[in-house]
Amino acid sequence: LAKTTQPISMDSYEGQEVNITCSHNNIATNDYITWYQQFPSQGPRFIIQGYKTKVTNEVASLFIPADRKSSTLSLPRVSLSDTAVYYCLVGDEAAGNKLTFGGGTRVLVKP
Amino acid sequence: DVKVTQSSRYLVKRTGEKVFLECVQDMDHENMFWYRQDPGLGLRLIYFSYDVKMKEKGDIPEGYSVSREKKERFSLILESASTNQTSMYLCASSLPVRVVGNQPQHFGDGTRLSIL
Repeated sequence: LAKTTQPISMDSYEGQEVNITCSHNNIATNDYITWYQQFPSQGPRFIIQGYKTKVTNEVASLFIPADRKSSTLSLPRVSLSDTAVYYCLVGDEAAGNKLTFGGGTRVLVKP
Repeated sequence: DVKVTQSSRYLVKRTGEKVFLECVQDMDHENMFWYRQDPGLGLRLIYFSYDVKMKEKGDIPEGYSVSREKKERFSLILESASTNQTSMYLCASSLPVRVVGNQPQHFGDGTRLSIL
């Protein structure tokens, strides 16, 4: 199973773009990259998923380079309410691999 | 919107007690999961179920069992509670595995369990 590494924490300010990079050097050919967001006292919430290049939705963008050994979650113009823990998961459920949550990145957005 | 409801937000039990944590989902999802979350350790999978009466061990099943008698309900059982099982417990559900890509998991808001 692919192991992921992401920064423990990062600070930002309101209105800035936040980019969180996740390393997954041993990603397998069929693995997908999935990101979750967790607010205090709540369960994680699915944000975005991708396989290659770029994926965008109403919440975030996900950039995946050609070698797929890393991925970057981009949160545009963050607000205080984006303060949360963000988890990067890599795996392929169709192959029977359960996705594993690591420690995540704690993002603090300051006024 | 998918709703996953855990029966208690906070629970205090004593060492040696048998503890039941209940989870109900309203979206007819086949898959259901139980995790525990501890500071510095992230979420760790205890058990999951992909159908009624079916269960599979996750990464840390020791000291726990599960029951899934109905599709919408997944129960986590601590057979004899111990202090090292004090934790936040999270339940999740999802649709069956896709041919490609992974299904998003929908989480409840957790039960904070304290074992004294």
